[in-house]
Amino acid sequence: AQTVTQSQPEMSVQEAETVTLSCTYDTSENNYYLFWYKQPPSRQMILVIRQEAYKQQNATENRFSVNFQKAAKSFSLKISDSQLGDTAMYFCASLSYSGAGSYQLTFGKGTKLSVIP
Amino acid sequence: NAGVMQNPRHLVRRRGQEARLRCSPMKGHSHVYWYRQLPEEGLKFMVYLQKENIIDESGMPKERFSAEFPKEGPSILRIQQVVRGDSAAYFCASSRDRDGGNQPQHFGDGTRLSIL
Repeated sequence: AQTVTQSQPEMSVQEAETVTLSCTYDTSENNYYLFWYKQPPSRQMILVIRQEAYKQQNATENRFSVNFQKAAKSFSLKISDSQLGDTAMYFCASLSYSGAGSYQLTFGKGTKLSVIP
Repeated sequence: NAGVMQNPRHLVRRRGQEARLRCSPMKGHSHVYWYRQLPEEGLKFMVYLQKENIIDESGMPKERFSAEFPKEGPSILRIQQVVRGDSAAYFCASSRDRDGGNQPQHFGDGTRLSIL
């Protein structure tokens, strides 16, 4: 079974500063995908960034980047130049084949990020 | 291009009633996933459907919960004889093909179910 652990229930960062959210996961799969989703107060689920496990290069999307350490099963999210609109819950998730005919997303419990003006 | 549409956004039911949650996938998507989010928790997989077929229901409670995705119309998640513990946000996601990572799941805004 997949497990995803986010050890920081809450974090805060000053506007324009950089913050890193931690995530570790456990999987027996060789090929899998990792994601960060953002859930703002409106409660939508918005895909922030995706990483393919077989790619060594860390994924980057504008101000968002990841530090993917495959051996350590670590997948942290770095947000640069934090903006007030980044205030949200952030969920780390892994995708792998369930063995029952589908690929399942397994989510961590989330980190609540507050950007302070 | 409309995204994944879920309705209603909020649903209130009394204990023992039935709840029906609807999900229309994105245009061109034929794969639908349902997730449940309890308060202060991450999303948990419930069921995966393609048109007219349930592919994986390994996350569905064995009783009172059912899902369908008919040939025409939205996918329906049905909860019979609701109890307080069913209070949660229910999210639907869709993808163009079976999600192997290259076809990311796109989420709807969720339905918040409250049981009185």
